[in-house]
Amino acid sequence: GAGVSQSPRYKVAKRGQDVALRCDPISGHVSLFWYQQALGQGPEFLTYFQNEAQLDKSGLPSDRFFAERPEGSVSTLKIQRTQQEDSAVYLCASSLVGSALTGELFFGEGSRLTVL
Amino acid sequence: KNQVEQSPQSLIILEGKNCTLQCNYTVSPFSNLRWYKQDTGRGPVSLTIMTFSENTKSNGRYTATLDADTKQSSLHITASQLSDSASYICVVSAMEYGNKLVFGAGTILRVKS
Repeated sequence: GAGVSQSPRYKVAKRGQDVALRCDPISGHVSLFWYQQALGQGPEFLTYFQNEAQLDKSGLPSDRFFAERPEGSVSTLKIQRTQQEDSAVYLCASSLVGSALTGELFFGEGSRLTVL
Repeated sequence: KNQVEQSPQSLIILEGKNCTLQCNYTVSPFSNLRWYKQDTGRGPVSLTIMTFSENTKSNGRYTATLDADTKQSSLHITASQLSDSASYICVVSAMEYGNKLVFGAGTILRVKS
């Protein structure tokens, strides 16, 4: 597709379940970002990939959060043993260039996670 | 303390009217400032990107201004349309933060007929 695609769009999980969220960036985009957006707030940085290398994961809130991009294209954000505070929209963005400082970011529509 | 603060938090205007949204930031020095539009249930879409040396940038009915001395930016929407109803988010990037863009909480705009 022409844009960033995320799946699932909506996910309801019971507390303690593991979830996996998928992001298909725009073809050829070098950089990929994951953000967490709580209701009524702006997105908050989670992690950043340049091709397959995870260059910054400082925004991941705990070791229950794990992200990968093994072939430099599709990325998966995994959350283990979900907690209610994990409920949020998870946004993926990609950029043609290797830096968010100068490159334009294209966002997906997000995956809304609700943990019961 | 929020490094990017936006005001007002929300705004209701009549269709056809103009409005101005404000963004104050403390991130310094910064590389660029962006305005995004986020429709409900959708991802943010870029409206404008300005470097520190730019004072104004337009995108159709949207005009962003930047005063790097006072660390303020504004987004002016002209002749508003119902489809302008969305959250408008101010975003700052800076060398010291690497690839972590700093997002404001957004201003929720509702345009009514």
